[in-house]
Amino acid sequence: AQTVTQSQPEMSVQEAETVTLSCTYDTSENNYYLFWYKQPPSRQMILVIRQEAYKQQNATENRFSVNFQKAAKSFSLKISDSQLGDTAMYFCAFGGANSKLTFGKGITLSVRP
Amino acid sequence: GAVVSQHPSRVICKSGTSVKIECRSLDFQATTMFWYRQFPKQSLMLMATSNEGSKATYEQGVEKDKFLINHASLTLSTLTVTSAHPEDSSFYICSCRGALSWGEKLFFGSGTQLSVL
Repeated sequence: AQTVTQSQPEMSVQEAETVTLSCTYDTSENNYYLFWYKQPPSRQMILVIRQEAYKQQNATENRFSVNFQKAAKSFSLKISDSQLGDTAMYFCAFGGANSKLTFGKGITLSVRP
Repeated sequence: GAVVSQHPSRVICKSGTSVKIECRSLDFQATTMFWYRQFPKQSLMLMATSNEGSKATYEQGVEKDKFLINHASLTLSTLTVTSAHPEDSSFYICSCRGALSWGEKLFFGSGTQLSVL
């Protein structure tokens, strides 16, 4: 079974600064997808970024980028130029061959003005 | 705009009654739909996976007779909480995927807050 670990329960960052959220996972599969989802106070789940395991190049979406280390099974999210609207819970997730999406416990990110 | 519509957004019911939650994919055919449960400040717990036209696959520990899932069409899945009790109070979220692989994006509904008195 796959596991996703987010060991930091919460983090805080100053507006305009950069923050990195960590995530590790465990799997025996070779082809899979990794995701970061954002859940703001509205509780709507929003896809932040997606990485396909067979692609070596790290995914980027504007201010969001990942550091995907397949051998180390690490998938961290970097948020540059943090904005107040980035305040939310962030979940790392794994999507494998069994068609289930496994979520980490999440991290609460607070952006300070 | 939203591609997955989930209703109701909030429901309060008396203990012993049944509650139905609807999840609709608005502009695509959802091959697979997932139902999650989330407690405050916790992660999403997968309850069941359903593919159109077939019986839902429930996760271990989830009572299939209590949480009835129907995926009758490619655009609609329903979760019925039967004989609800206060411990069933939670935030329920559906998600839809248009294909069998993760190459297709997963879209989430806006969630339903269920409060059982």
